[in-house]
Amino acid sequence: KAGVTQTPRYLIKTRGQQVTLSCSPISGHRSVSWYQQTPGQGLQFLFEYFSETQRNKGNFPGRFSGRQFSNSRSEMNVSTLELGDSALYLCASSLAIGLAAGGEQFFGPGTRLTVL
Amino acid sequence: ILNVEQSPQSLHVQEGDSTNFTCSFPSSNFYALHWYRWETAKSPEALFVMTLNGDEKKKGRISATLNTKEGYSYLYIKGSQPEDSATYLCACSGGGADGLTFGKGTHLIIQP
Repeated sequence: KAGVTQTPRYLIKTRGQQVTLSCSPISGHRSVSWYQQTPGQGLQFLFEYFSETQRNKGNFPGRFSGRQFSNSRSEMNVSTLELGDSALYLCASSLAIGLAAGGEQFFGPGTRLTVL
Repeated sequence: ILNVEQSPQSLHVQEGDSTNFTCSFPSSNFYALHWYRWETAKSPEALFVMTLNGDEKKKGRISATLNTKEGYSYLYIKGSQPEDSATYLCACSGGGADGLTFGKGTHLIIQP
């Protein structure tokens, strides 16, 4: 069974640009969550999608948005990039209806975004 | 938003020794606790998900306990091996719309 895949793996952008990251969950998983990993803040929850609906949202500005498609693939968009958005962005998929249901998550390899 | 604390921040353990570390969370707003192992250059790997007070889970040499009344979880590693070297993360959900809140992790180094 294929694992969670994320594309691209590495990305370099400049301030003010926007970026879209993609995540394909494990086949059959309908929940996709996104996380930001930075050295200073650790791993922080961005949002969770289930059946094309955002179910949970972390404490991030509106420049961070996402969506989920009918095949459960998810995209995350960051507009008006800032230097502080440089981070590793991880997505994870789960069979569970929601993170609150305590479902096991399977993480992808991440997208390393560098903002210059 | 929950406040999840992990201690110690880093730990050096001799190969063959057993070790444990702690995850603390607010007991008043708890639904589930997750433990992950994150090795360098790899993706985080789920170890355990626990929801009930008194839960104990085991996977090989690694086990975890949960005390929701006092707000802590312990992760134990028995007979540490070099491949146990990793960052161990815990994360909690309060059952609301905030998703998972992660601790900063315990960085474990096993010395041969």
